[in-house]
Amino acid sequence: TQLLEQSPQFLSIQEGENLTVYCNSSSVFSSLQWYRQEPGEGPVLLVTVVTGGEVKKLKRLTFQFGDARKDSSLHITAAQTGDTGLYLCAGRRGNTPLVFGKGTRLSVIA
Amino acid sequence: DAGVTQSPTHLIKTRGQQVTLRCSPKSGHDTVSWYQQALGQGPQFIFQYYEEEERQRGNFPDRFSGHQFPNYSSELNVNALLLGDSALYLCASSLGVWQGAGEQYFGPGTRLTVT
Repeated sequence: TQLLEQSPQFLSIQEGENLTVYCNSSSVFSSLQWYRQEPGEGPVLLVTVVTGGEVKKLKRLTFQFGDARKDSSLHITAAQTGDTGLYLCAGRRGNTPLVFGKGTRLSVIA
Repeated sequence: DAGVTQSPTHLIKTRGQQVTLRCSPKSGHDTVSWYQQALGQGPQFIFQYYEEEERQRGNFPDRFSGHQFPNYSSELNVNALLLGDSALYLCASSLGVWQGAGEQYFGPGTRLTVT
């Protein structure tokens, strides 16, 4: 059983479109992180959210942590080809190891 | 400022062999964690080293072992390789063992192929 479920698994959109990807769990997390991973590279941290209901913005990316700290979303406005990659969410409960979802593979087409 | 480095980049081994992967943490970091990322999956935690001791371990068999050196660099050893060990092995470094929302930085990984 996957502790963190990410949806959709795959997403292919045209440049300029908006999109939202989701990260859901039945467990409560003390913090949740979003990473982007490109082929042949390790994941790169985009954001960490720790408070229920928290919203963080990183240029065209908006991250939200659910009120109950069980889920999160990533919204991208006006997607660009440079946004292409694997988006991973990862959660931590207390001092336990980071748990990753399987990721959403995003392809932005020019 | 050097980030996390890993070697080798790629490796091909035969079933039953042993392999050693290496990681140098980001400057100023003292904790190293290892992850296995199979194709189409997210990274899975193997173990974490701090002060040259294994501090936490994920659900991996004893064939997976590690070491941390006084300069904070680390090795991951896998014995009796299985086909299922084929994966991208990621090293991540951080400052101190996990506390709350502590951040870690990942290296580019070592791609291991077992034939």
